[in-house]
Amino acid sequence: DTEVTQTPKHLVMGMTNKKSLKCEQHMGHRAMYWYKQKAKKPPELMFVYSYEKLSINESVPSRFSPECPNSSLLNLHLHALQPEDSALYLCASSQVPRSTDTQYFGPGTRLTVL
Amino acid sequence: AQTVTQSQPEMSVQEAETVTLSCTYDTSESDYYLFWYKQPPSRQMILVIRQEAYKQQNATENRFSVNFQKAAKSFSLKISDSQLGDAAMYFCAYRSAGSSNTGKLIFGQGTTLQVKP
Repeated sequence: DTEVTQTPKHLVMGMTNKKSLKCEQHMGHRAMYWYKQKAKKPPELMFVYSYEKLSINESVPSRFSPECPNSSLLNLHLHALQPEDSALYLCASSQVPRSTDTQYFGPGTRLTVL
Repeated sequence: AQTVTQSQPEMSVQEAETVTLSCTYDTSESDYYLFWYKQPPSRQMILVIRQEAYKQQNATENRFSVNFQKAAKSFSLKISDSQLGDAAMYFCAYRSAGSSNTGKLIFGQGTTLQVKP
């Protein structure tokens, strides 16, 4: 099973809302990633979690707050977003961050901020 | 810092024909990995093929093969016998190895491949 699941598939929120994106994998991977992808652009790394600890934050605004409650689950909490934050948010996982193992991507959550 | 460049924003190929997508990269590292990812419209990004920099032999996965030229820092993807299902955006990506590896993938800008029936 090489599946990474993400919920919801689509999300529309206002600038004052608080919402969360969820990512789950059951491959025993210990590294998990959040990427942001604008239309027809490559994914941009936001955060890396290694053994449930935040190891990389690519200078992401504090209105994005990641959380890794356990080794299978990764959340991205959203608060006071801006319209320019509208994008596809991808989650990925790999066995461990320092390996050369493949990163498996989820299908993404398409976020629209009104 | 490492960079990845895909100079072909769009390509098209006739079904059953062969197409080559270009990728160049810049790095001062000697140990790294290169990947081609495929992202069909509104669908999941999946790994097509990967290449270890220390391996001279070009990677092959069924109809997909790469031409890895380490000295030229070139990593092109050849798709043989193109199928309609190959239509997608293709991203070339770089990842450091060894002690420099943070898990970060550096992507090129992507090439949109159209397959004509």
